[in-house]
Amino acid sequence: EDQVTQSPEALRLQEGESSSLNCSYTVSGLRGLFWYRQDPGKGPEFLFTLYSAGEEKEKERLKATLTKKESFLHITAPKPEDSATYLCAVRVVSGGGADGLTFGKGTHLIIQP
Amino acid sequence: DGGITQSPKYLFRKEGQNVTLSCEQNLNHDAMYWYRQDPGQGLRLIYYSQIVNDFQKGDIAEGYSVSREKKESFPLTVTSAQKNPTAFYLCASSRTGPLYGYTFGSGTRLTVV
Repeated sequence: EDQVTQSPEALRLQEGESSSLNCSYTVSGLRGLFWYRQDPGKGPEFLFTLYSAGEEKEKERLKATLTKKESFLHITAPKPEDSATYLCAVRVVSGGGADGLTFGKGTHLIIQP
Repeated sequence: DGGITQSPKYLFRKEGQNVTLSCEQNLNHDAMYWYRQDPGQGLRLIYYSQIVNDFQKGDIAEGYSVSREKKESFPLTVTSAQKNPTAFYLCASSRTGPLYGYTFGSGTRLTVV
């Protein structure tokens, strides 16, 4: 069974305190790994797609990396507006030929001023 | 601007009633999806459709029904058979193929009263 596990479940940081969120996966036929940001009461917002081990992508204070078994979302010098739930998802090819995203439960990040 | 629109934002249902959640997209995406989000459980797939007039059950389809009569629209009906319908419902769309992530709507919060 395909699994996506995110850690920690919750993380509280001081403004400017850098850290990393983890997404580990056990899937067969990985086609891509996706990071989303979700604010309370809203739909997830796309951040990054990673396709192969060693790949890295950056956007402002966020940097996503991918290995064969896990992905990290590094947050450098975060600001309070970075507070959100960060979701990781993997895209696999299902037995029926259709592909879809399997999501982790998310990491709830709070940045305190 | 292209996007995906869910309505209503809040919905209240009485015991034994069926209710329909609307999802419309103008992104010209072939694939559309319905997810349910509960606290601590992450996103779970209810139904998905990769082409007009065709749809497939996801992991938790019992008590739900969908239709896909137009490419732009993918409404979800929560029937009285769904025993615990109170949740946050998210609609998403994507281009077909493993390279693409999802674009999400802003969600509908359904509460049973």
